Amino acid sequence: SAVISQKPSRDICQRGTSLTIQCQVDSQVTMMFWYRQQPGQSLTLIATANQGSEATYESGFVIDKFPISRPNLTFSTLTVSNMSPEDSSIYLCSARQDSLRNEKLFFGSGTQLSVL
Amino acid sequence: AQSVTQLDSHVSVSEGTPVLLRCNYSSSYSPSLFWYVQHPNKGLQLLLKYTSAATLVKGINGFEAEFKKSETSFHLTKPSAHMSDAAEYFCVVSRNSGNTPLVFGKGTRLSVIA
Repeated sequence: SAVISQKPSRDICQRGTSLTIQCQVDSQVTMMFWYRQQPGQSLTLIATANQGSEATYESGFVIDKFPISRPNLTFSTLTVSNMSPEDSSIYLCSARQDSLRNEKLFFGSGTQLSVL
Repeated sequence: AQSVTQLDSHVSVSEGTPVLLRCNYSSSYSPSLFWYVQHPNKGLQLLLKYTSAATLVKGINGFEAEFKKSETSFHLTKPSAHMSDAAEYFCVVSRNSGNTPLVFGKGTRLSVIA
């Protein structure tokens, strides 16, 4: 099974600044995703991180606000740009790993972001 | 579009009594359905998943769920609750005909009373 390392685990940031969250998987995965979990809410998909090309964003999320990179099959970053208090949330990385008989999904432990 | 509705935002049970967490789904495909658990300050953990095999799916920690197409339901059950089961539970459907990406329900918080 794959292990996802996500960092930082938490941060407190000032309004107007940007934070980059890193997601490292210990083995190759076919797909990587970024989710947001706002306080007391469920998870919402932000985007699918595509290896070597631009990410695919969900409705309500744009590249200028949440630029995503995925330079290889095991690593992705999500940047939260020009932050405001409304961006305070938990951000989760997820990865899908395919094998001959099975498809498995894994989640990172999340980044808890507080914006002052 | 695929979606799930968790019918209860909060369920409270006594230790040793049965657990029932309700979920209804909507899908234009034959769906893949999942239950995830999230303990406080911990990551998401997969409890079980249904992918068009047996309709009764057994998961970890004694949980199971039954896929009922006629009722479009995928309720999560456990015969006897433990204190350690207290957590947030998410019913999840895959958005596409494959298993990703995922669409999460709003969650049900399970409290277990001693």
